[in-house]
Amino acid sequence: AQSVTQLDSHVSVSEGTPVLLRCNYSSSYSPSLFWYVQHPNKGLQLLLKYTSAATLVKGINGFEAEFKKSETSFHLTKPSAHMSDAAEYFCVVSHYNNNDMRFGAGTRLTVKP
Amino acid sequence: DTEVTQTPKHLVMGMTNKKSLKCEQHMGHRAMYWYKQKAKKPPELMFVYSYEKLSINESVPSRFSPECPNSSLLNLHLHALQPEDSALYLCASSQDVRRLVAYEQYFGPGTRLTVT
Repeated sequence: AQSVTQLDSHVSVSEGTPVLLRCNYSSSYSPSLFWYVQHPNKGLQLLLKYTSAATLVKGINGFEAEFKKSETSFHLTKPSAHMSDAAEYFCVVSHYNNNDMRFGAGTRLTVKP
Repeated sequence: DTEVTQTPKHLVMGMTNKKSLKCEQHMGHRAMYWYKQKAKKPPELMFVYSYEKLSINESVPSRFSPECPNSSLLNLHLHALQPEDSALYLCASSQDVRRLVAYEQYFGPGTRLTVT
């Protein structure tokens, strides 16, 4: 069965420093992987997705993620955090289709001035 | 237009009330979803509609009744809810629901439901 683990429930960074949000997945097949962001009291917004094309995926707002099959990881990074990046981030894995999407528990990103 | 709209934004209802949540998209998407999200938790899938037909019901109690009148609209009818049903209800849509293809989902802003 597929699953996804976000390794940190909370990450705190200073503005202008790099962001790393970690996600590991388990899969018997080639998965599709997504990162979504949710600001307080808002819906989810897609940051980026991996669907077996390039392993380094660039998303919106300067975020990118690298698919590493050998490590079963799909970590989200950003070179320089901005105050507006403070939000909840969800890693999502799907093996078959949209009926089979599994959300990670979420990582809350705090950005300090 | 990549927007999914949801109304109302907030809803307070008593346990004997009947109310409905509404979701709309005009992206030509053929799959629509209802999720329930409790505070500090990920969204939990409730229902999936594919081509206006219910394809997934994740063992949701019958006090929640979904309806898809057409390909752009999705409703969630609520009746005799319990206080533990208080949550953020999110609607989402995707291009399709097709085997071995995972499309990105577009989410609405949600309806914050409080059951008193």
